[in-house]
Amino acid sequence: AQSVTQPDIHITVSEGASLELRCNYSYGATPYLFWYVQSPGQGLQLLLKYFSGDTLVQGIKGFEAEFKRSQSSFNLRKPSVHWSDAAEYFCAVGAPNYGQNFVFGPGTRLSVLP
Amino acid sequence: DGGITQSPKYLFRKEGQNVTLSCEQNLNHDAMYWYRQDPGQGLRLIYYSQIVNDFQKGDIAEGYSVSREKKESFPLTVTSAQKNPTAFYLCASSIEKGTGELFFGEGSRLTVL
Repeated sequence: AQSVTQPDIHITVSEGASLELRCNYSYGATPYLFWYVQSPGQGLQLLLKYFSGDTLVQGIKGFEAEFKRSQSSFNLRKPSVHWSDAAEYFCAVGAPNYGQNFVFGPGTRLSVLP
Repeated sequence: DGGITQSPKYLFRKEGQNVTLSCEQNLNHDAMYWYRQDPGQGLRLIYYSQIVNDFQKGDIAEGYSVSREKKESFPLTVTSAQKNPTAFYLCASSIEKGTGELFFGEGSRLTVL
């Protein structure tokens, strides 16, 4: 069965520092991978997605993620964090044509110090 | 603008009452989903529908019911059989024959008094 793990429940970084959020997945084939962000009391917004091709994908708000098949990882990065980036981040794995098979990780809460 | 609208945003319920959460989309998406979110547990699938007049149970369907009479609408009823209904509920949609990318509404927070 497919699964997603996010080892860090809560991360705190200073504004302007770099950020890396970890995501590992288990899936039988090449997965479709996603990162979503959720502000408190809000829905989820898509940051970026990987389907195929270049393993380094760029997203909105200056985020990027790298797909590493050998490590079954899809880590999210940002070179310089802004206070507005404080939120919960979810990694997810999906399958083409089967939205109901989406699997979300437990999330990583990001706090940003001024 | 296209999107998903959930209402109400906040809802309070007494024990033993059924409540219905609304979800409407104007994205012309075929598939719609309901998720439940609890702190530290990510999102869990309650029900999904791939086409009008058809829906399937997800991982935690007990105590919930849905209908899909129109493509745009996918209401969720939280029944009195749901033992722990206090949670944040998210509705989502996707293009069925697509990449599986989900689009989310703003969520509804249900609190049982």
